[in-house]
Amino acid sequence: AQTVTQSQPEMSVQEAETVTLSCTYDTSESDYYLFWYKQPPSRQMILVIRQEAYKQQNATENRFSVNFQKAAKSFSLKISDSQLGDAAMYFCGVGNQGGKLIFGQGTELSVKP
Amino acid sequence: EAGVAQSPRYKIIEKRQSVAFWCNPISGHATLYWYQQILGQGPKLLIQFQNNGVVDDSQLPKDRFSAERLKGVDSTLKIQPAKLEDSAVYLCASSLEYVAENIQYFGAGTRLSVL
Repeated sequence: AQTVTQSQPEMSVQEAETVTLSCTYDTSESDYYLFWYKQPPSRQMILVIRQEAYKQQNATENRFSVNFQKAAKSFSLKISDSQLGDAAMYFCGVGNQGGKLIFGQGTELSVKP
Repeated sequence: EAGVAQSPRYKIIEKRQSVAFWCNPISGHATLYWYQQILGQGPKLLIQFQNNGVVDDSQLPKDRFSAERLKGVDSTLKIQPAKLEDSAVYLCASSLEYVAENIQYFGAGTRLSVL
């Protein structure tokens, strides 16, 4: 069974500052992928970043980067130079070989101007 | 490229009534997913289709929920009869294939309120 835990229900960051969202997971799969999705009030889940578990190099997408610690089963998301448009719910997810995605409970990020 | 389309956006019904949601995935995507997202929680997979066949429906409450994907394109999720605890957002997603690395693209969801 796979589980995903996001221990921060809410986070707040000042515009232009950096914030890190935490995620831990558990899986018995040897080959899996990790995802961060953003869900704004419009409800549509949007992919932020994806990490292959077999790659040691941390993924980066513009202002978004991850800190992937495989042994610790930790997958945190760092948002640099935060913008007002980054305000949303963020969900961490683990994908197995069957394509099934398990999500955490989410972290609500607010950005203060 | 058109995204995943869902309708309706909102639905309000009374308990014991029936309701249906529609999803049109991205063209060419073989895999289609239905998720239930209860307020304050992450999405939970209900059912997964590969073309018009079911890959995983282990979390689908089959006594009241049903889903179909005729012709391997559009899909319909039905609830009959609805219960109060079915109030949630129902999200549809699609991907090229059902492998771990494939990105799932989501629709805007249907918010269901059961009174």
